[in-house]
Amino acid sequence: DGGITQSPKYLFRKEGQNVTLSCEQNLNHDAMYWYRQDPGQGLRLIYYSQIVNDFQKGDIAEGYSVSREKKESFPLTVTSAQKNPTAFYLCASRPRNSAVADTQYFGPGTRLTVL
Amino acid sequence: DQQVKQNSPSLSVQEGRISILNCDYTNSMFDYFLWYKKYPAEGPTFLISISSIKDKNEDGRFTVFLNKSAKHLSLHIVPSQPGDSAVYFCAASAMGTGNQFYFGTGTSLTVIP
Repeated sequence: DGGITQSPKYLFRKEGQNVTLSCEQNLNHDAMYWYRQDPGQGLRLIYYSQIVNDFQKGDIAEGYSVSREKKESFPLTVTSAQKNPTAFYLCASRPRNSAVADTQYFGPGTRLTVL
Repeated sequence: DQQVKQNSPSLSVQEGRISILNCDYTNSMFDYFLWYKKYPAEGPTFLISISSIKDKNEDGRFTVFLNKSAKHLSLHIVPSQPGDSAVYFCAASAMGTGNQFYFGTGTSLTVIP
């Protein structure tokens, strides 16, 4: 089945530790995205990548880092510099070269809780 | 600076009636709009979209209306069903902006049986 997987579904981390969230897709999409969702807020863009080995900061990139070494994978590292890391993290992908804007397809999300 | 706004955080509707969810945007460069439906602890799923060259798009019980002059779009669900209870996000995109989507804050819809 084609789709986007995120693991783990729930993640706990101690304050001051870095943690990496996994995102894998087998849709052959070029573009991948990371969002976070907080209660009462919309999805806010953290980082996105339109092609392998290239990525750009979104609106709230501070305290996060990403890599895009493979087309299928776009891991997100939440560093100790992120002041409020507890949130629901969503990964998405999208075909890059669409003549008409296309939709993003989302993974199931990872709930990160910092203790 | 929120470029896409959903001013109603919640909405309750009786089963069988119409649900109308509203969304406003500020960026006149947006030319593609989408609605997503989200259940708790799950990723959003695409519902319906509309291009700025249209003012209406219909898919079964779901219709999206776009008023470009007012920078406003709405999602109509008719008839509403209990399974429609979820959070609905509107999103907007502009070609040539790195394929970024800008999301509203969501409206939680409850359909009462």
